[in-house]
Amino acid sequence: AQSVSQHNHHVILSEAASLELGCNYSYGGTVNLFWYVQYPGQHLQLLLKYFSGDPLVKGIKGFEAEFIKSKFSFNLRKPSVQWSDTAEYFCAVNLRYSSASKIIFGSGTRLSIRP
Amino acid sequence: EAGVTQFPSHSVIEKGQTVTLRCDPISGHDNLYWYRRVMGKEIKFLLHFVKESKQDESGMPNNRFLAERTGGTYSTLKVQPAELEDSGVYFCASSQDLQEGETQYFGPGTRLLVL
Repeated sequence: AQSVSQHNHHVILSEAASLELGCNYSYGGTVNLFWYVQYPGQHLQLLLKYFSGDPLVKGIKGFEAEFIKSKFSFNLRKPSVQWSDTAEYFCAVNLRYSSASKIIFGSGTRLSIRP
Repeated sequence: EAGVTQFPSHSVIEKGQTVTLRCDPISGHDNLYWYRRVMGKEIKFLLHFVKESKQDESGMPNNRFLAERTGGTYSTLKVQPAELEDSGVYFCASSQDLQEGETQYFGPGTRLLVL
């Protein structure tokens, strides 16, 4: 069955630290990969996505992710985090088949930034 | 452009009662999705509408859940009768088409608590 694994449930960092959140997926077909973010009290927002081309994708707010097909990974990175990055981050894969579509989410990683 | 909206934002009901959640997708989006996050678990797919047709309802937990999208605009998700394990956050999402790179835009969610 298709699945998405996020390695860390809760990450605590100080401001200016570098961030890497791990994500691995299990799916043999063509994948569209996403990172969504949910800031406190807000709804899920798209951070970045990969569907083809350059495997290093850049998103909003200085985030980037690298698709490594051989490792089935799509890790999220940011060189220097800010307090405002405190949020929950979800890695996801979009499965499209015939005329239907659905997103499979990882369990989420809660990121807490110490000011 | 207005985003995906959901109503109500919160609902507290007693076991055995009925609750109806509403989702208004982004105008012009034919695809509408329902997802659910039960406490501490990952966000899970419930079903996918294309206009008024159910394309995939494989994620619906049981026959106590009924989703409709009459006229292909807004959608409702009714839970009848509600059980304790139905508590969670119900998200709605919409997208314009199913081409590669499809992005689903999420609403703020409805927090349902069944007592």
